[in-house]
Amino acid sequence: ETGVTQTPRHLVMGMTNKKSLKCEQHLGHNAMYWYKQSAKKPLELMFVYNFKEQTENNSVPSRFSPECPNSSHLFLHLHTLQPEDSALYLCASSKEGGEGQYEQFFGPGTRLTVL
Amino acid sequence: GQNIDQPTEMTATEGAIVQINCTYQTSGFNGLFWYQQHAGEAPTFLSYNVLDGLEEKGRFSSFLSRSKGYSYLLLKELQMKDSASYLCAAMDSNYQLIWGAGTKLIIKP
Repeated sequence: ETGVTQTPRHLVMGMTNKKSLKCEQHLGHNAMYWYKQSAKKPLELMFVYNFKEQTENNSVPSRFSPECPNSSHLFLHLHTLQPEDSALYLCASSKEGGEGQYEQFFGPGTRLTVL
Repeated sequence: GQNIDQPTEMTATEGAIVQINCTYQTSGFNGLFWYQQHAGEAPTFLSYNVLDGLEEKGRFSSFLSRSKGYSYLLLKELQMKDSASYLCAAMDSNYQLIWGAGTKLIIKP
């Protein structure tokens, strides 16, 4: 398997559920990212992990909780979400997240619907 | 504040040329990226410019003017498969990408 994979591809959950999104990269990269993509809006950066350390948290509500156990895996734990959290959640990775202009490679995303 | 502007939607004809413009305002600048995103798929990297001028890659070219805060993506010999959204993103002084909302390009036969 190559590139960046994400599971599940689609998720429907109620506001009281707890679920997790998973991302795995097979590119040997050291930086991983979570983005939220809503229709006709710019990509919103949520979290950045660089060498397993969280380096960015862009004022994301605490109902979103990231976890990065190693440089290849990234999780986004979800609980008590709101309907406005429905969006496409994209994971990306790059060689490094610091002072390097390396392109980011994206996974196919998880389409999340909160009822 | 930081901002990226690009047209919401453009239409072009198969075989023609189209130019998608992007203007940016960022705190510092470390380069400009273009990505392509087909509906329901992941964004894929197209180009990176950090110096002024034109970078050509096959049918696609990208231009940057740092003094004007301006870039464009030029697509030649358009094919139906080029129908997609094109995302412009500028890297700021913290090496964080600031994204535009994307330009949906519709190709007509």
